[in-house]
Amino acid sequence: GAVVSQHPSRVICKSGTSVKIECRSLDFQATTMFWYRQFPKQSLMLMATSNEGSKATYEQGVEKDKFLINHASLTLSTLTVTSAHPEDSSFYICSARSEEVYNEQFFGPGTRLTVL
Amino acid sequence: GENVEQHPSTLSVQEGDSAVIKCTYSDSASNYFPWYKQELGKRPQLIIDIRSNVGEKKDQRIAVTLNKTAKHFSLHITETQPEDSAVYFCAASIEGENTDKLIFGTGTRLQVFP
Repeated sequence: GAVVSQHPSRVICKSGTSVKIECRSLDFQATTMFWYRQFPKQSLMLMATSNEGSKATYEQGVEKDKFLINHASLTLSTLTVTSAHPEDSSFYICSARSEEVYNEQFFGPGTRLTVL
Repeated sequence: GENVEQHPSTLSVQEGDSAVIKCTYSDSASNYFPWYKQELGKRPQLIIDIRSNVGEKKDQRIAVTLNKTAKHFSLHITETQPEDSAVYFCAASIEGENTDKLIFGTGTRLQVFP
C-alpha cells in the first residue's frame, strides 16, 4: 500500500514553455501533498505544501506565480512550472500524506525536468 | 529558520563494518524523525523512523537513536553490505503554517566496499 505515482518521469522542454507534473496517490486518500525540488548532489528542498481544496502554502523564496500548484482531489496534485528557464532544470519530487499515518510521507518517483 | 544538520557528508566503510550518521535539529517541538535512503535518480525510501516518545528503535541491521535533550538523532547500520551504498537523508518534522512538514538534512553518501 501507500503508492504514489508521478508523471511524467522525464521531460525536456524549450525555454519559455510551461510544464505540468502530476502526482497521484494510488491506494489512499492524501489530505496533504508536498512538492520538493532536488538539484544534483543536494538535499530535498520543500517548495510548497498543498491541502485538498485549498490554496498551497509556499516556502520562502519560491515564486507562487511561477510554480502553480493545484490539489483538486484527495488523490491528485499538479505542479505547473510556467515559463520554464534553464535554471528550473531539476528533479521534482512529490510526496503524499494521509491522516491515518500522520507525519509519514510517501514519495513519488520524481520527474526529471530539463529546460533547453 | 529551522534547520537540520547532518554529518558526515561522505562515509566509506568496508563490507561488514558499521556505519553511523548523525543529525542535529533546531526546533525543540520536532516530534518525528525519519531516515531515507535514496539511490541515484530514484525516490527517497523510508528505512526507519522514530517519534519523540521513544529513545531508540531497531529494525534488523538498522537502528535509530534519539536524544531529545541534546536535539540529535543518529542512524546506525550494522554489518554493512555493498547494496547499502546510497545517499542517506535524515529529516525532522516542524510545524508549518497549516500542517507539519519535514526539513531534510544535507545528506550522507555512504559507500560500502566489498
